[in-house]
Amino acid sequence: EAGVAQSPRYKIIEKRQSVAFWCNPISGHATLYWYQQILGQGPKLLIQFQNNGVVDDSQLPKDRFSAERLKGVDSTLKIQPAKLEDSAVYLCASRSHFPGQLEAFFGQGTRLTVV
Amino acid sequence: AQSVTQLDSHVSVSEGTPVLLRCNYSSSYSPSLFWYVQHPNKGLQLLLKYTSAATLVKGINGFEAEFKKSETSFHLTKPSAHMSDAAEYFCVVSDYGGATNKLIFGTGTLLAVQP
Repeated sequence: EAGVAQSPRYKIIEKRQSVAFWCNPISGHATLYWYQQILGQGPKLLIQFQNNGVVDDSQLPKDRFSAERLKGVDSTLKIQPAKLEDSAVYLCASRSHFPGQLEAFFGQGTRLTVV
Repeated sequence: AQSVTQLDSHVSVSEGTPVLLRCNYSSSYSPSLFWYVQHPNKGLQLLLKYTSAATLVKGINGFEAEFKKSETSFHLTKPSAHMSDAAEYFCVVSDYGGATNKLIFGTGTLLAVQP
């Protein structure tokens, strides 16, 4: 089975620029997560989708971050404008809703550097 | 509310000696618990999972963990460390079957293996 695909793998931008990340989850997985992982820290949940609806975006900085999951499949995460403190790895994960398949599968992540 | 505490930020062992990475959790629901490993510049890989079946869970690469409800713990162990085990390890709690299906990460434990 194909894994979670993310692109790009790396991105360098200047502060105040905008950037977008893309995630293609495992086919059939209803739940999709975006996490931010700052160097030396554990992943922090930014937003969680169930199909194409938002379940939790309480930690998403909505003044600059946005995310969507059109048609309940692919998802994009956007930052506009970027700040230096947004430098991090952005991880996408997906999860099945079937009992016994409760683990989340993670993509390789997008490493963002804001200069 | 859910939370997870990894009691050690760094653990150093010699090759061939046992590994113990400690994790305590808090959950309002019957939890699902996971251990993930992250090698440098790699994605998160599932080591093992507990989902209310056997309390002693065996995972990949010789790792295992025991769910102890009375102690709210889910410590990760391995009888004999290998150099390739050097990585960061994350304990994760989920309330699957509860209200939000969140995945909450601990802050991570960096395992160093000395030759």
